[in-house]
Amino acid sequence: DAKTTQPTSMDCAEGRAANLPCNHSTISGNEYVYWYRQIHSQGPQYIIHGLKNNETNEMASLIITEDRKSSTLILPHATLRDTAVYYCIVRYTNDYKLSFGAGTTVTVRA
Amino acid sequence: NAGVTQTPKFRVLKTGQSMTLLCAQDMNHEYMYWYRQDPGMGLRLIHYSVGEGTTAKGEVPDGYNVSRLKKQNFLLGLESAAPSQTSVYFCASSQGTGGFQPQHFGDGTRLSIL
Repeated sequence: DAKTTQPTSMDCAEGRAANLPCNHSTISGNEYVYWYRQIHSQGPQYIIHGLKNNETNEMASLIITEDRKSSTLILPHATLRDTAVYYCIVRYTNDYKLSFGAGTTVTVRA
Repeated sequence: NAGVTQTPKFRVLKTGQSMTLLCAQDMNHEYMYWYRQDPGMGLRLIHYSVGEGTTAKGEVPDGYNVSRLKKQNFLLGLESAAPSQTSVYFCASSQGTGGFQPQHFGDGTRLSIL
């Protein structure tokens, strides 16, 4: 799997958009970009994934650059409940495991 | 819809004791996984199953055994617990392994080995 690089931590104001960057410069054509988050003491929660195109669901938007070497997860209106560790994962289409790195600790402040 | 349910949620064992962790999913998923998460580290895959009656080793399988006798259940066993197995254990399931099939996780079993 391609390795990913994320900032260690970031703060966000409640009600504002949170933009979480991720670099994956060695990604290959068959690897998807996944985002998960882990709220304290809970299991990882799937957020969104994409291959080439930008994606949006009820939780977030995923913006993937044209060269696919980086992506940004956007939480449009952050709430206190969005405080969590966010993981950007690049996974080959047939790989069984998800490789979780250190992630970005996001703290949403009132 | 319960999703992925893990039992027990907490357990304390003494070195050398055995126990089984149970994972149940109600999404009719074919694939199931066991991960462990140690403090400050990401999740590491222990074992996985691609269907009823099948199991396979992941990254860190030593000291663990698994069974998938029913499609909805995936059991993780520790035959002789060691302090190094103190961890939080997460079970996950997915419809397949394709890149477009996300894994869905339970809330974990917190296991301490004294």
